[in-house]
Amino acid sequence: GDSVTQMEGPVTLSEEAFLTINCTYTATGYPSLFWYVQYPGEGLQLLLKATKADDKGSNKGFEATYRKETTSFHLEKGSVQVSDSAVYFCALSPSISTGNQFYFGTGTSLTVIP
Amino acid sequence: NAGVMQNPRHLVRRRGQEARLRCSPMKGHSHVYWYRQLPEEGLKFMVYLQKENIIDESGMPKERFSAEFPKEGPSILRIQQVVRGDSAAYFCASSELAGKHYNEQFFGPGTRLTVL
Repeated sequence: GDSVTQMEGPVTLSEEAFLTINCTYTATGYPSLFWYVQYPGEGLQLLLKATKADDKGSNKGFEATYRKETTSFHLEKGSVQVSDSAVYFCALSPSISTGNQFYFGTGTSLTVIP
Repeated sequence: NAGVMQNPRHLVRRRGQEARLRCSPMKGHSHVYWYRQLPEEGLKFMVYLQKENIIDESGMPKERFSAEFPKEGPSILRIQQVVRGDSAAYFCASSELAGKHYNEQFFGPGTRLTVL
């Protein structure tokens, strides 16, 4: 079945450091891929998405490229800020657009220290 | 343009009581999903509903849990005879599929249920 495997945390970085959070997936067909961010005490917010192979999603300095050959969708940011401290979830939506569930990774907690 | 609304945001129940969680999808969305997030874990799918229909309840516990999405009004997730293990954050998401080949879901702020 479809699934997402996400790098375990927690991750602690200094401000302005480079961030990578690994995400790989297993799916049939051509799923859409998403990164969601959850700030403390809040719900999930869509950070970025990619709907087909080689697409690059980007938002707020974060980027992720949909790599079909390696079944990956790693999240990167060149210079993190304290305000980026949150939990990041990689998610997959199956290729059939009939309203199926999302499959989420377990989340990676990021703490950025000044 | 209001997003997905959930209420209450926090709910405290004693063991054996009933918990009712409400979700109003985004305007124009007719598909609702419920997820549960246990402490220190990711989101787990529970149920997917369209208006007046349960489409997929494969993630729903067989007992005590039920969900509905009536023709009028919000979607309701009901937990009967709550136990401490039900303590979690429950998130609702909605989507609109018409004309889109991917299924982007928009999440509400969640209801944090605490069972004493």
